[in-house]
Amino acid sequence: DAGVIQSPRHEVTEMGQEVTLRCKPISGHNSLFWYRQTMMRGLELLIYFNNNVPIDDSGMPEDRFSAKMPNASFSTLKIQPSEPRDSAVYFCASSLASGTGGNQPQHFGDGTRLSIL
Amino acid sequence: GDSVTQMEGPVTLSEEACLTINCTYTATGYPSLFWYVQYPGEGLQLLLKATKADDKGSNKGFEATYRKETTSFHLEKGSVQVSDSAVYFCALSPNQAGTALIFGKGTTLSVSS
Repeated sequence: DAGVIQSPRHEVTEMGQEVTLRCKPISGHNSLFWYRQTMMRGLELLIYFNNNVPIDDSGMPEDRFSAKMPNASFSTLKIQPSEPRDSAVYFCASSLASGTGGNQPQHFGDGTRLSIL
Repeated sequence: GDSVTQMEGPVTLSEEACLTINCTYTATGYPSLFWYVQYPGEGLQLLLKATKADDKGSNKGFEATYRKETTSFHLEKGSVQVSDSAVYFCALSPNQAGTALIFGKGTTLSVSS
């Protein structure tokens, strides 16, 4: 079975440019999560969606960050304009949220390593 | 609010040594508990889980027991290998559908031969 698929795996761009990260969750999963990982701050939850609807975006650093989930099989995380401090590994994860309470484990993609010069 | 605290690393061991990584949690209700592992250059992978008190999760020689009385979920392995070198994350899932996991800060394990 295909896992969570992220693209690109690596992105290097100059500050000020727009960056778009993409994620395809596991088929049938109804929750999708975007994380950022850095040495300084560790693993941070940016935003998550249930059934394509954003539930909690309190982790999004600032207005330069935006995320969308137009359908159950695709999500994007966009940074515009990008800054050097946005350099990090960005992970997407998906899970099946049980309607009877409790959550199934999250499955992570391999991440996008973003470098802003 | 709910939170997870795990021991800070790095933890450095020789091959075949015993491993314990401590994890404690604060939560309302009855959360599910997880250990994830992250190998270099990869995403997090589920290592084991426990969904109720006294459950023991196990996988690849690792074990952790859900202890409600001590609010702990310590990760243990009797004999580590070099291939176990990775970052280990303890995580909590509130018992409420559609909520995000709460992760600890991660513990780096380095095993030398």
